[in-house]
Amino acid sequence: DQQVKQNSPSLSVQEGRISILNCDYTNSMFDYFLWYKKYPAEGPTFLISISSIKDKNEDGRFTVFLNKSAKHLSLHIVPSQPGDSAVYFCAASAWRSRLTFGEGTQLTVNP
Amino acid sequence: DAGVIQSPRHEVTEMGQEVTLRCKPISGHNSLFWYRQTMMRGLELLIYFNNNVPIDDSGMPEDRFSAKMPNASFSTLKIQPSEPRDSAVYFCASNTGGTQETQYFGPGTRLLVL
Repeated sequence: DQQVKQNSPSLSVQEGRISILNCDYTNSMFDYFLWYKKYPAEGPTFLISISSIKDKNEDGRFTVFLNKSAKHLSLHIVPSQPGDSAVYFCAASAWRSRLTFGEGTQLTVNP
Repeated sequence: DAGVIQSPRHEVTEMGQEVTLRCKPISGHNSLFWYRQTMMRGLELLIYFNNNVPIDDSGMPEDRFSAKMPNASFSTLKIQPSEPRDSAVYFCASNTGGTQETQYFGPGTRLLVL
């Protein structure tokens, strides 16, 4: 019962263009959502988060959008840079409960 | 400031052997998490501790897996006996305040069970 799903295992974009990573969830109790980035041979690092009382959160080139009715969130990276190439995990939790991660999406930004 | 430290970084063992993975959380952090990453299931939470007490171990696959946190600066994840399907990358993470605070991950232990 995968409660958080990232349906695209990989995404390839050109440098300077927008990268859009998608994530769907099934548990309506989830109220906090995060994105983590992972480089090879390293642990995941926190990127950006959003609580369910908001529908958008922005931090520099990174913006997370939350559509609660569709149970969908997305991460936009604009403009994409080669250094953004990594695996991106979305994660979600309900109040005080465990963090549930998706399977991850490998983003490749081509120079 | 040192991050989360995990050892060993790589472990190759034979089926049936005992495997012990170690983690030192960031000093001052009172929550510690053990995750397993596989291609099929992504990152799965195995267990997490708060103030050295296990809070949620519902992700521990079976009795072959056990985790301890004898003090605030050390935790172990043990697999006995190990099986090939346990091959994965195991991450430890820590933070100051539970599941909805930012978690800081260690570099992981890549385990291969032959």
